[in-house]
Amino acid sequence: QVQLVESGGGVVQPGRSLRLSCAASGFTFSSYAIHWVRQAPGKGLEWVAVISNDGINTYYADSVKGRFTISRDNSQNTLYLQMNSLRAEDTAVYYCARGGHDYLYWFDPWGQGTLVTVSS
Amino acid sequence: DIVMTQSPDSLAVSLGERATINCKSSQSVFYNSHNKNYLAWYQQKPGQPPKLLIYWASTRESGVPDRFSGSGSGTDFTLTISSLQAEDVAVYYCQQYYTTPPITFGQGTRLEIK
Repeated sequence: QVQLVESGGGVVQPGRSLRLSCAASGFTFSSYAIHWVRQAPGKGLEWVAVISNDGINTYYADSVKGRFTISRDNSQNTLYLQMNSLRAEDTAVYYCARGGHDYLYWFDPWGQGTLVTVSS
Repeated sequence: DIVMTQSPDSLAVSLGERATINCKSSQSVFYNSHNKNYLAWYQQKPGQPPKLLIYWASTRESGVPDRFSGSGSGTDFTLTISSLQAEDVAVYYCQQYYTTPPITFGQGTRLEIK
């Protein structure tokens, strides 16, 4: 079945870096845009970034622009989120979610999420 | 950015009764050329990721019970649960995908049993 599995979360000090991964299976990964969405503890959903199916085009939320980089390896069916200069406000569960063949599409499915805690 | 505002923030409904959640966008999410509203609804239960319920404002995702329905157009949308079941306790989010970036979500509506 269609599945996304995130990994790489953990506790990291402010100012440090972390890389998240999202392994995809059950569909043609290279045909879909993929998003990162985060959810701070007890809060709502915040879209973070999207990458086109071919990896050429990327877009970011203003809150992470210049600090986070989304990328993908279609040969490995894997999505990444490189997070640099982490701040306390980046603490959240990070989900990867499949979009559509273009950006104007709903998200389905979502992975189970990986928790990132930024704390000294 | 398109701001999505849901109402109410929380809602308590008796089992078997109707639950209605509203979502208003700060600008229209209706694409004239496609004749579609670029709006989705999600359900999130505690400890779980969001689950897609509705897309194109009113198209139910496969496997979603028919007690869930979406309606509305332009800037005003509604998610209705016709007969609340215990398993429907969750937080519900609307989302616009009319513009990217950014894709934006409503703040969420917490649905509980009265």
